[in-house]
Amino acid sequence: AQSVAQPEDQVNVAEGNPLTVKCTYSVSGNPYLFWYVQYPNRGLQFLLKYITGDNLVKGSYGFEAEFNKSQTSFHLKKPSALVSDSALYFCAVRDPNEGSYIPTFGRGTSLIVHP
Amino acid sequence: DAGITQSPRHKVTETGTPVTLRCHQTENHRYMYWYRQDPGHGLRLIHYSYGVKDTDKGEVSDGYSVSRSKTEDFLLTLESATSSQTSVYFCAISGTSGRADEQYFGPGTRLTVT
Repeated sequence: AQSVAQPEDQVNVAEGNPLTVKCTYSVSGNPYLFWYVQYPNRGLQFLLKYITGDNLVKGSYGFEAEFNKSQTSFHLKKPSALVSDSALYFCAVRDPNEGSYIPTFGRGTSLIVHP
Repeated sequence: DAGITQSPRHKVTETGTPVTLRCHQTENHRYMYWYRQDPGHGLRLIHYSYGVKDTDKGEVSDGYSVSRSKTEDFLLTLESATSSQTSVYFCAISGTSGRADEQYFGPGTRLTVT
């Protein structure tokens, strides 16, 4: 069965500093991995995904994520945080071996960027 | 929000009354999903559809039913609303180019059951 964990409920970072939001996953084979962002009173927005290829994936708003198969992780990163990056971030995984189109979402990590 | 609308956006209803939430898409995507979002639980899948009249249950389907008579519309019905169904409900869609498709979400419906 597929599963995903976001070990931090909240991440605090100062504006201008690099940020990392952690995600680990469990699947039987090679995963499809996704990051989404949710701003207050909005639906989730797709940020980026890893399917295959280069382990470093670049996405919207300057975010990137690194796929690490040995550590079963897919951490979201940004070199320089903005106050406007403050939001709720969700990691999701889909196991193509399960033949399903249904992803499993993590519980979310609240990112707070302080001015 | 990628051509997805949800109605109503807010609703307050009483325990025991039926409630129907509507999701409408203009993207002609095959897959549609209903989630609920609650503090501490993240997103939980209620039901999903993989085509017209083709639906299946998610992890929290008890007390909910769905229907999809047209590609563009996916309805979620609470047959007899309970206070535990107070939540924010999101509809999502995904495309048909493969299992690698990301999802696109609607703006959400905030439902309060009193």
